[in-house]
Amino acid sequence: AQSVTQLDSQVPVFEEAPVELRCNYSSSVSVYLFWYVQYPNQGLQLLLKYLSGSTLVESINGFEAEFNKSQTSFHLRKPSVHISDTAEYFCAVSVAPAGGSYIPTFGRGTSLIVHP
Amino acid sequence: DTGVSQDPRHKITKRGQNVTFRCDPISEHNRLYWYRQTLGQGPEFLTYFQNEAQLEKSRLLSDRFSAERPKGSFSTLEIQRTEQGDSAMYLCASSPGDEQYFGPGTRLTVT
Repeated sequence: AQSVTQLDSQVPVFEEAPVELRCNYSSSVSVYLFWYVQYPNQGLQLLLKYLSGSTLVESINGFEAEFNKSQTSFHLRKPSVHISDTAEYFCAVSVAPAGGSYIPTFGRGTSLIVHP
Repeated sequence: DTGVSQDPRHKITKRGQNVTFRCDPISEHNRLYWYRQTLGQGPEFLTYFQNEAQLEKSRLLSDRFSAERPKGSFSTLEIQRTEQGDSAMYLCASSPGDEQYFGPGTRLTVT
């Protein structure tokens, strides 16, 4: 079975500073990796995903994550954060789907708090 | 808005009562998932439907929990004889493939 570790429960940062949210996974087979974001009082939304191909994936709002197979990591980065990036971020891992079902295992989440 | 909707958004019940939650997925999505989320944790998978067929259930899903998806459209999650440990946010998600679209959740409080 796969597992996900998000090492930081909370990451405070000042606006316009860079940020990295760490995610490590454990799996004995090939994985698919996801980052979801949950803004205050909203449902989870997919931020970005890695299924195959280029190991660097980007979101439309400036976040990127790099799949590192040797380090079993999928860290999320942004070079300059905004106040509006304040949210809970969840890393998730899924193994190759059986019968078409991607059933992800989620990490505990990292609360990104952006200060003015 | 054609996103995933859940009803009710909040439910307070007394221990031992039965509760039922409803999820309306995005209409063209054939896959539907239920999760449970407690404070400080990520969502934990409960069960998965492809169309009307329940294809996978977590060991977290005790025999007090039952889920249905008649006609492959909306889904219901019922908890019988609720316990205080059932207090959590219950999330529903639908999917056309690898990406999941989550509803706002139903917060259950068992007193």
